[in-house]
Amino acid sequence: GIQVEQSPPDLILQEGANSTLRCNFSDSVNNLQWFHQNPWGQLINLFYIPSGTKQNGRLSATTVATERYSLLYISSSQTTDSGVYFCAVPNFGNEKLTFGTGTRLTIIP
Amino acid sequence: DAGVTQSPTHLIKTRGQQVTLRCSPKSGHDTVSWYQQALGQGPQFIFQYYEEEERQRGNFPDRFSGHQFPNYSSELNVNALLLGDSALYLCASSQEGQPLLGNEQFFGPGTRLTVL
Repeated sequence: GIQVEQSPPDLILQEGANSTLRCNFSDSVNNLQWFHQNPWGQLINLFYIPSGTKQNGRLSATTVATERYSLLYISSSQTTDSGVYFCAVPNFGNEKLTFGTGTRLTIIP
Repeated sequence: DAGVTQSPTHLIKTRGQQVTLRCSPKSGHDTVSWYQQALGQGPQFIFQYYEEEERQRGNFPDRFSGHQFPNYSSELNVNALLLGDSALYLCASSQEGQPLLGNEQFFGPGTRLTVL
């Protein structure tokens, strides 16, 4: 099956810093989702981004499907951004999501 | 607009017991998927239900079974619980209709199961 890897595995930043999280996948995909898992376990949808670039406030994401990677940018980090960030891709169609290994982000005040 | 809801929030069981977890999908969604997330790992796909039938299954034993009701809500049943079944169980819903693109999935808050 498809393999999804994320980097870095851990990231510790001061409040106000910017960060870039990367997601690499081993096969062609027709869409990709980014999630933020908060300390209570809730997976929050950030982006549904098959290709191109999307922005939502301080967050933006870019997917380059032909090169099999996606990037999540977080600017002016806040302590509430702390948590684990996952990317996930489906097999073609409405099939299971395969999740990446996750990036644990810690924002220090 | 109600999101995905799950019940119960937490559950403690002993080895060998059986458990039933419940999920109501986001309004307008008709497809429900279940995932297991062990501590420190990413969610792993258990199975997906559409039109009251199991459409796809991950690498989980037959002790894990499910059901989808006519109102699209779903149950996950686990029999003969093992210590290793302790995990966060997540339900996700989506709207069928984009077979080429796949559909965005939305997750509930999860049920945290502890097996003693």
